[in-house]
Amino acid sequence: DTAVSQTPKYLVTQMGNDKSIKCEQNLGHDTMYWYKQDSKKFLKIMFSYNNKELIINETVPNRFSPKSPDKAHLNLHINSLELGDSAVYFCASSQWGESTDTQYFGPGTRLTVL
Amino acid sequence: QQQVKQSPQSLIVQKGGISIINCAYENTAFDYFPWYQQFPGKGPALLIAIRPDVSEKKEGRFTISFNKSAKQFSLHIMDSQPGDSATYFCASRGSSYKLIFGSGTRLLVRP
Repeated sequence: DTAVSQTPKYLVTQMGNDKSIKCEQNLGHDTMYWYKQDSKKFLKIMFSYNNKELIINETVPNRFSPKSPDKAHLNLHINSLELGDSAVYFCASSQWGESTDTQYFGPGTRLTVL
Repeated sequence: QQQVKQSPQSLIVQKGGISIINCAYENTAFDYFPWYQQFPGKGPALLIAIRPDVSEKKEGRFTISFNKSAKQFSLHIMDSQPGDSATYFCASRGSSYKLIFGSGTRLLVRP
C-alpha cells in the first residue's frame, strides 16, 4: 500500500549512459514532482506535472526529460549521464489547489555515476 | 532569486531539551510554510505546516512560530527525543505551488 513508489532504489552506471527512473503514486493526486537532493542534502525541485501537463521546469540540463503517461506516473529519463548527476532523486505528489498542498515523497533513487 | 535561508546547519540537543530551527524567506507572496522531516535513507515527510494568517501552530511537541513582518518562521521541538534525530527542512510555497526548501538542519538528540 505504498503511496509513492520509485524504481529502482539504487542505480549505478557509467558516464555517458542513458537511464530512467520511474515513479508511481496511488493517492489519486493530480500533480507530481521530481526533486534532486545533492550530497549536502540540499533539496531542489526539477519538474512538476499537473494532469500530465508540465507546469514547473526549473533550470535543468535538457539531458533530463520527464514524461507523464498518466496522472499516476511520472518518469525521469536522463541522457549522457555526467558525474555531477550523482544524487538522490525524489518523486513526490500532491493534489493541486488544496490549501495545505501536502507533498508526499517517495523513498528516493540513489544515482551514482562512475 | 527566491530563497529560504535555514539555520543552524546542525544541532545537538540533550534528551528532554528544546530544539529550535529558524528560517527566513524573501518573497512576501509565499503563502504556505511547511516543515519536513527526513530520516536517513527515506524521503522527506510533512511534519507540520502554517499559513501566514496565524502566528503560531502547535501539534503535540512540535510548534511553528511565524513572524510575518520579519519574514521569519521557526520550528520548536519540545521535550526532544532521540527518535527526533533527523534532518529538518523548512519550505515556502510560491507560484505554481512550487516549494522552495531551506538547506536543512541535521538534529541529533543525545540520550
